[in-house]
Amino acid sequence: GQQLNQSPQSMFIQEGEDVSMNCTSSSIFNTWLWYKQDPGEGPVLLIALYKAGELTSNGRLTAQFGITRKDSFLNISASIPSDVGIYFCAGPYINAGNMLTFGGGTRLMVKP
Amino acid sequence: DAGVTQSPTHLIKTRGQQVTLRCSPKSGHDTVSWYQQALGQGPQFIFQYYEEEERQRGNFPDRFSGHQFPNYSSELNVNALWLGDSALYLCASSFGDTYGYTFGSGTRLTVV
Repeated sequence: GQQLNQSPQSMFIQEGEDVSMNCTSSSIFNTWLWYKQDPGEGPVLLIALYKAGELTSNGRLTAQFGITRKDSFLNISASIPSDVGIYFCAGPYINAGNMLTFGGGTRLMVKP
Repeated sequence: DAGVTQSPTHLIKTRGQQVTLRCSPKSGHDTVSWYQQALGQGPQFIFQYYEEEERQRGNFPDRFSGHQFPNYSSELNVNALWLGDSALYLCASSFGDTYGYTFGSGTRLTVV
């Protein structure tokens, strides 16, 4: 069946390091979304991508919509302790209407 | 301006029982979606309500039902609870057909 694969599943990095995570799909997407979820909270939208090749930044976060439309990348520069959390990619499969499919998440841990 | 409000925050039920979860959308939002998030996984789409009708449904059995009221608030009902229904249930609101979902903090349901 259709699914989103995120990697890595978890990362343990030193404060100040850059982080990179990615998401791949078995089918093409027209929209890619990146969310962050803190413990005990719901996901919060970080970046939305709407066009193949698009590169969008939000502060220290940068995300790209892959040219093949089957992948997306999220980079975090100069990580800080509050970056800790679970990062999810998500998107609607074509003909899936408003239904978002989420990846399994990347758990980020930052050592001060 | 209040975001998405969900109640209760935690709930413990016995197998076979029924449960009702409630959601008040963010002010100005008219669409409510429900997601189930099992431990360690990404959220899974249950269904979406718009104009008091179920607009779209994910791969969940009929034991899962919902309702949207004229003030756009929504309920999620689950009948004949299984142990496997234990999860965080997230409500997300949006305006119209946009993907700009705002998620609530969720209801943690434990079935024993």
